[in-house]
Amino acid sequence: QKEVEQNSGPLSVPEGAIASLNCTYSDRVSQSFFWYRQYSGKSPELIMSIYSNGDKEDGRFTAQLNKASQYVSLLIRDSQPSDSATYLCAVIKTDSWGKLQFGAGTQVVVTP
Amino acid sequence: EAGVAQSPRYKIIEKRQSVAFWCNPISGHATLYWYQQILGQGPKLLIQFQNNGVVDDSQLPKDRFSAERLKGVDSTLKIQPAKLEDSAVYLCASSSQGNEQFFGPGTRLTVL
Repeated sequence: QKEVEQNSGPLSVPEGAIASLNCTYSDRVSQSFFWYRQYSGKSPELIMSIYSNGDKEDGRFTAQLNKASQYVSLLIRDSQPSDSATYLCAVIKTDSWGKLQFGAGTQVVVTP
Repeated sequence: EAGVAQSPRYKIIEKRQSVAFWCNPISGHATLYWYQQILGQGPKLLIQFQNNGVVDDSQLPKDRFSAERLKGVDSTLKIQPAKLEDSAVYLCASSSQGNEQFFGPGTRLTVL
């Protein structure tokens, strides 16, 4: 079992719709959770961080964390063609000195 | 505030040759990370420095890879000798508190 799992996609989303991305992690002692966006040929860009259960909103992005069920999700509202990218979920475990464990990413394609 | 700088951006070498990558983190960031990202996968941590000391190098292939961070600022990652499977993007990241990590543009290495 991989430590961080994501559906690889592609996830096709009509422009203006909500994109919903899911991520599950295996280690219950995970403490910090991140979503990175990576455009083709570019490096990962941090878009959201979440540390406690519940929702966190930032602009069109909402991250949701459920530690009991060991999943974290990302919602992208009013999806735009510029949101087409791979979204990487990353997790830091307690006592891991900040080591990020990444999923393989979900490719999102927003269609006009 | 300037971001993480890396050079070179691209490198093509033949197998068994050596190569070195350079990284300059965000000013004031004590923690520096080197990741390897193979196409279609999430980044994998190779080595993590806290100031100029190594915190985690458990996934660094030490028979061929080496890294240093003299004076706790810039860092270099070296591969000698390179193998075909080392073809990847090498990403440098830095953080100030060990949580949110910010990535440089990466170096795309092709080993022929």
